[in-house]
Amino acid sequence: DTEVTQTPKHLVMGMTNKKSLKCEQHMGHRAMYWYKQKAKKPPELMFVYSYEKLSINESVPSRFSPECPNSSLLNLHLHALQPEDSALYLCASSQDSMQGERYFGPGTRLTVL
Amino acid sequence: AQSVTQLDSQVPVFEEAPVELRCNYSSSVSVYLFWYVQYPNQGLQLLLKYLSGSTLVKGINGFEAEFNKSQTSFHLRKPSVHISDTAEYFCAVSDIYQAGTALIFGKGTTLSVSS
Repeated sequence: DTEVTQTPKHLVMGMTNKKSLKCEQHMGHRAMYWYKQKAKKPPELMFVYSYEKLSINESVPSRFSPECPNSSLLNLHLHALQPEDSALYLCASSQDSMQGERYFGPGTRLTVL
Repeated sequence: AQSVTQLDSQVPVFEEAPVELRCNYSSSVSVYLFWYVQYPNQGLQLLLKYLSGSTLVKGINGFEAEFNKSQTSFHLRKPSVHISDTAEYFCAVSDIYQAGTALIFGKGTTLSVSS
């Protein structure tokens, strides 16, 4: 099973809302990632979790808050977002953080009104 | 630091024609190389990867790529494309010593296959 799942598929939220994106993998991978992708652009790395600990934060604004409850789950909590945060949010996982090969989920299409 | 250049932003081809999507990279260290495909409104799917060994790598959906160390290239090829191959293709590179922190993507190539 090489599947990474993400929920929801689509999310529309206002600038004052609080919402969460969820990601799950059952491949036994120990590294998980959040990426942001704008239309016609490559994914941009936001966060890296390695063995359930946050190892990389690519200077992401605090309105994005990641959480890794266990080795299979990754959440991204959203609060007070801006319209420019509208994008496709992709979760990925890899065997460990030293492996370049990453498996991506289908993404959550986020629209901030 | 590594960088990736995808030489063509758009490649239009007719169905059943061969296609080559070009990728060049720069790095001062040994690298892993990847091609990902993204169909409309979907996530990225790994097409193929070069980690070591044979320089000709075969992937899914009939794609293959050749690693050329002297030319620092990793071009993707398919001998006969289908309409369903229409998608965005990303070349990516990572440093084998610091793979986790930097999977560097190219800007992408849009492959448009028409009948």
